[in-house]
Amino acid sequence: DAKTTQPPSMDCAEGRAANLPCNHSTISGNEYVYWYRQIHSQGPQYIIHGLKNNETNEMASLIITEDRKSSTLILPHATLRDTAVYYCIVRGRANTGNQFYFGTGTSLTVIP
Amino acid sequence: GAVVSQHPSRVICKSGTSVKIECRSLDFQATTMFWYRQFPKQSLMLMATSNEGSKATYEQGVEKDKFLINHASLTLSTLTVTSAHPEDSSFYICSARDLGTAKNIQYFGAGTRLSVL
Repeated sequence: DAKTTQPPSMDCAEGRAANLPCNHSTISGNEYVYWYRQIHSQGPQYIIHGLKNNETNEMASLIITEDRKSSTLILPHATLRDTAVYYCIVRGRANTGNQFYFGTGTSLTVIP
Repeated sequence: GAVVSQHPSRVICKSGTSVKIECRSLDFQATTMFWYRQFPKQSLMLMATSNEGSKATYEQGVEKDKFLINHASLTLSTLTVTSAHPEDSSFYICSARDLGTAKNIQYFGAGTRLSVL
């Protein structure tokens, strides 16, 4: 499985955009990038995923570099409720292996 | 979005007893569910993959006789911690993949906090 590297922690001012980077230099051609977040003492919450094109949904945007070796999760207007640990995971499509292996993630603190 | 229900949310038990945790997919079918364990200030660690109608697949270092997994239907998987000891105290989380989509998205339960006295 492709390994991911994320900064251990980040701060962001409330109302500003939070940009969370993830390096996945060993990603293979059929592997997707998934982002989840975990608020303290809860189960992880799915945010977004993508293969090579940029993606946007109601929660966030995902920017994947052209060489696919890194990506950035963007929370456009961070709120206090976005304080959580954010995990970047790379994995294949459903029929190529389903297991998710979590790294250490980025602990995002949104500051009032 | 898809909902995964996990029960109980918290359990306290005496050393030597067994504890069963249930994981249900409420609005979708899941041939595959996953069980994770998380210790304080650490990331989630995958314990096993639960396959409907067949034996579970355990990650290296996870004792299959200690952590019994049953996945008898497309909406229910159970994890039984047998003869629990204080070192088994942890946050246990399940997830399920929606069979009805090709997307490999896992939906997670809220977790079960196990405290063994």
